[in-house]
Amino acid sequence: GENVEQHPSTLSVQEGDSAVIKCTYSDSASNYFPWYKQELGKRPQLIIDIRSNVGEKKDQRIAVTLNKTAKHFSLHITETQPEDSAVYFCAAAHGNTGKLIFGQGTTLQVKP
Amino acid sequence: GAVVSQHPSRVICKSGTSVKIECRSLDFQATTMFWYRQFPKQSLMLMATSNEGSKATYEQGVEKDKFLINHASLTLSTLTVTSAHPEDSSFYICSARGPRVSLDTQYFGPGTRLTVL
Repeated sequence: GENVEQHPSTLSVQEGDSAVIKCTYSDSASNYFPWYKQELGKRPQLIIDIRSNVGEKKDQRIAVTLNKTAKHFSLHITETQPEDSAVYFCAAAHGNTGKLIFGQGTTLQVKP
Repeated sequence: GAVVSQHPSRVICKSGTSVKIECRSLDFQATTMFWYRQFPKQSLMLMATSNEGSKATYEQGVEKDKFLINHASLTLSTLTVTSAHPEDSSFYICSARGPRVSLDTQYFGPGTRLTVL
């Protein structure tokens, strides 16, 4: 079945450093790849997304890259700040159904 | 825009009772709503896809007779957990997408924390 693998499960960086989270997906029909940030007890918040016809997208300190051939996509956060600390989830959506399959999550800790 | 609400935010019930959770799209028409369950320190697991006016599509392993989903209008979907047991205690989150917002994007509700005693 559809599966999304996310690594690492935890990531600790110093403030100002970069953080990279990687995901792989199994369903070749996936065509939409959002990233969510979730704080404890709250709803997931969309931080950036990319569609299968694009290889890279950037929004200020956040960027996402997609390699369709390898079925890999990655989240890059530069100049990290303590408020970036949260759990980050990648997801892949099937084109026809739109349903999201989530990765396992990465707990990012940014140390001041 | 694209705001989704859920009610209640927290509910505590006794084992064997049923609990209804509402998911509403406040400023757009949601042709499709999704229901997820999230256990502590785990990821979101899709339970079912709900399309307005039709039966929900359940993911493998999700009991449709236990988790009743109704999507009676373009702005409301409900999830009823029937005969709840302690193992059903979890964070239930809905999401919605619609024709007048980005078709791919799902907008999440704030979640409902269910505790079954």
